[in-house]
Amino acid sequence: AQSVTQLGSHVSVSEGALVLLRCNYSSSVPPYLFWYVQYPNQGLQLLLKYTSAATLVKGINDFEAEFKKSETSFHLTKPSAHMSDAAEYFCAVLVSGGGADGLTFGKGTHLIIQP
Amino acid sequence: EAGVAQSPRYKIIEKRQSVAFWCNPISGHATLYWYQQILGQGPKLLIQFQNNGVVDDSQLPKDRFSAERLKGVDSTLKIQPAKLEDSAVYLCASSLYYNEQFFGPGTRLTVL
Repeated sequence: AQSVTQLGSHVSVSEGALVLLRCNYSSSVPPYLFWYVQYPNQGLQLLLKYTSAATLVKGINDFEAEFKKSETSFHLTKPSAHMSDAAEYFCAVLVSGGGADGLTFGKGTHLIIQP
Repeated sequence: EAGVAQSPRYKIIEKRQSVAFWCNPISGHATLYWYQQILGQGPKLLIQFQNNGVVDDSQLPKDRFSAERLKGVDSTLKIQPAKLEDSAVYLCASSLYYNEQFFGPGTRLTVL
C-alpha cells in the first residue's frame, strides 16, 4: 500500500523568501504524485502533478516540484513567497490499479507567510 | 466550465440523526469520488464510482454510510445514524482522466 509523509505540519517563511514543503512517499510501484492547495472553506486545487514524464514539474503560481526516485521525495518549492500563498498544502500519491485510483493524501502542511 | 457542485455547504445535526450530501460532477466526467477530511488531516477516500458502478468502497463504513450514483451523473452520500466522529468536511471530486481529479468546495458536517 502507498503512503505519504509531509514533514512539518506548519512552515513559516517571510514574504519574498524561498518556500520549501517536504513530501516523501512510499510505493511499491512507480507512482503518480500531486500537490494540492486548500484555502479556508474551499476545496482542493491542483498545483502540479508528476506522471512519469519530466522529473522537474512546473505548476501554477510559480510552484514547482522535483521527483527524486532515489530519495522517494517530491518536495514543493517556490522561489519567492507571496502573502496570497498562505494556505494548507497537501501532497498525494496515486497508484492506479484495476480502475481504483483514489488519491492517498498526506496530513498537510500549513504555510504561514510573515510580512 | 462549471466546477464540481456540492450541497449543502454546512450542516449541523445531533448524533444518531441521519444526513445526506449531494454532489454534481463536472459534465462528462465518468469518475466520481467521495472523500472525508477530518480536521487537521488529509482527505481520505470513502468511495469511487465509475459511471453508476462502484469501483472502490473499501474504506466506506458500510454499517452507517451509503452512497449512490443512480444515473451515472450526480451522487448522494448518506450517513445514518451519525456519530460524533463523523464531524468532518465531505469532499466530492470528479475526473475525466485518472491522473487529474477536480474537487468541489465540500460540505462541512458538525455532529453534536
